[in-house]
Amino acid sequence: EVHLVESGGGLVQPGGSLRLSCTASGFTFSNYWMSWVRQAPGKGLEWVATIKRDGSEKVYVDSVKGRFTISRDDAKNSLYLQMTSLRAEDTAIYYCVKAASGSFDFDYWGQGALATVSS
Amino acid sequence: DIVMTQTPLSSPVTLGQPASISCRSSQSLVHSDGNTYLNWLQQRPGQPPRLLIYKVSNRFSGVPDRFSGSGAGTDFTLKISKVETEDVGVYYCMQATQFPTFGQGTKVEIK
Repeated sequence: EVHLVESGGGLVQPGGSLRLSCTASGFTFSNYWMSWVRQAPGKGLEWVATIKRDGSEKVYVDSVKGRFTISRDDAKNSLYLQMTSLRAEDTAIYYCVKAASGSFDFDYWGQGALATVSS
Repeated sequence: DIVMTQTPLSSPVTLGQPASISCRSSQSLVHSDGNTYLNWLQQRPGQPPRLLIYKVSNRFSGVPDRFSGSGAGTDFTLKISKVETEDVGVYYCMQATQFPTFGQGTKVEIK
């Protein structure tokens, strides 16, 4: 059974940094593209970033380019999102998401980690 | 970016009755590989999203057959044949043909 478990959320001041982690199990992690999708409180879903199977390609939504970095460690079955220069509008639940056969065709979602940016 | 527009945004339904949600994309979702990457997600209250339908009309593992998807090009529909209590939540369409974008969500509630 596929499991995605996020960690690392918390409260941070504007301009600060936070690193989210996602530990995967139940599938061969290295074979799949992985993504982060976020949801602001009471709002809809927004794709944030995606990383290719081997980590050689990374893409981001424009609003986080230059501030967020997606990475992976296949030996640890883990996905990461390093978030810097955080703004109030980055406050959201961040979901770790696995792709099916392609790059963005999401199939499994984690439970999410809440990142709150506030002074 | 491809804009996804859902209607209605709210759908009060009587238990056992059908429900239908429409989703329109600002451009064709047919990928260069010939597939149409239009998915439907369900988000129950307090839960993460869950995949219901992928590539327009394919039910994901464990999804009841009362859920069905249809459509082509830019117009798509999710139908629930007979709404049950556990179907309450918000439904999103999303496209994965280009960088992913989501519809605004449709709240399904029991009358």
